[in-house]
Amino acid sequence: DTEVTQTPKHLVMGMTNKKSLKCEQHMGHRAMYWYKQKAKKPPELMFVYSYEKLSINESVPSRFSPECPNSSLLNLHLHALQPEDSALYLCASSQDFPGAQVSEQYFGPGTRLTVT
Amino acid sequence: GENVGLHLPTLSVQEGDNSIINCAYSNSASDYFIWYKQESGKGPQFIIDIRSNMDKRQGQRVTVLLNKTVKHLSLQIAATQPGDSAVYFCAEIGTNAGKSTFGDGTTLTVKP
Repeated sequence: DTEVTQTPKHLVMGMTNKKSLKCEQHMGHRAMYWYKQKAKKPPELMFVYSYEKLSINESVPSRFSPECPNSSLLNLHLHALQPEDSALYLCASSQDFPGAQVSEQYFGPGTRLTVT
Repeated sequence: GENVGLHLPTLSVQEGDNSIINCAYSNSASDYFIWYKQESGKGPQFIIDIRSNMDKRQGQRVTVLLNKTVKHLSLQIAATQPGDSAVYFCAEIGTNAGKSTFGDGTTLTVKP
């Protein structure tokens, strides 16, 4: 199984709502990532988890709250978002590091988020 | 040609021709590079990678060239097919493992 799944595929939320994005992989990868991608732009790294611990936070606003409950799951909790947060949110995973060579990331299909 | 080495946001080629997509990276400490293909409505898909101790790597119909002197990466696609139409991104991964930076994409359109 070389698939990263993400739910939901589409999400529309108001600025006062609380919602969560979910990501799952069963490849035994111990590094998981959240990216944000605006239309016609490259993905921008938001968070990196390594062995279920947050290792990189790219100065993301606190209205985005990541969580890694176990080695297969990654969540992104959303609260009080702004319309400019509307984007495609991509989850990815890769083989573990440190200690191992950095390797390719496997991406999910993304969640298309619209904030109204 | 005059476009060799130049990053283009769009590239249109005829089916069967070879395509060359260019990317400039910024961090001389990056030691791992990946080319991704992203089709409409999908996440990026791995195509080929190369480590900084190499200058060329070949896959099936694709070749990646790395020039560390000028911090340039290129992706060559042989015999381009309509199914190759997509946005192509290069990504550089540095010694801070896990921190990857994507370059501006190139939209490849293959005309039948």
